[in-house]
Amino acid sequence: AQTVTQSQPEMSVQEAETVTLSCTYDTSESDYYLFWYKQPPSRQMILVIRQEAYKQQNATENRFSVNFQKAAKSFSLKISDSQLGDAAMYFCAYRRKNYGQNFVFGPGTRLSVLP
Amino acid sequence: KAGVTQTPRYLIKTRGQQVTLSCSPISGHRSVSWYQQTPGQGLQFLFEYFSETQRNKGNFPGRFSGRQFSNSRSEMNVSTLELGDSALYLCASSLAARGEETQYFGPGTRLLVL
Repeated sequence: AQTVTQSQPEMSVQEAETVTLSCTYDTSESDYYLFWYKQPPSRQMILVIRQEAYKQQNATENRFSVNFQKAAKSFSLKISDSQLGDAAMYFCAYRRKNYGQNFVFGPGTRLSVLP
Repeated sequence: KAGVTQTPRYLIKTRGQQVTLSCSPISGHRSVSWYQQTPGQGLQFLFEYFSETQRNKGNFPGRFSGRQFSNSRSEMNVSTLELGDSALYLCASSLAARGEETQYFGPGTRLLVL
């Protein structure tokens, strides 16, 4: 069974600084998707960034970028120029390709942004 | 376009009762998935419906069931409620048949079982 691990339950970052959230996963599949979702205190989950395993190029979305290391099964999220609105729970998620919408989520990392 | 909506937003029930939660996906989305979120177990997949058929199912007891209507709206039902069923239930929708599309989540229904 696939598993997703986030080893940092809580992290904090100073406003305007850069922070990296870690995620590792375990799978025997070669083609899959990885996601980072953000869940602010209002509770609505928002997609931050998505990576397809067969694409070697790391995904980027504005201030958010990932470091995808397929062999190491690592998928970290870097947030640059952190803003107060980035404070939230961040979930790393895995989904097999062509297997419907069945996500496996990590336990989450609570990110605090300090002014 | 309106986002995923879930009703009710909050619910209080007692042990032994049953509950039905509703989810309206984004217009045009045909896949609806349900997740349970608790502090202890995190986010766990319940099931996914596509075109009124259950396509995937997580490891939950048979007390948890769902269905999808022809307009893609979905309901999930929990019978014989237990204290451990207290959780935030999230619904997510996506576009396509192959599951390639991104899921968009609703705000959730918070269920408290007393």
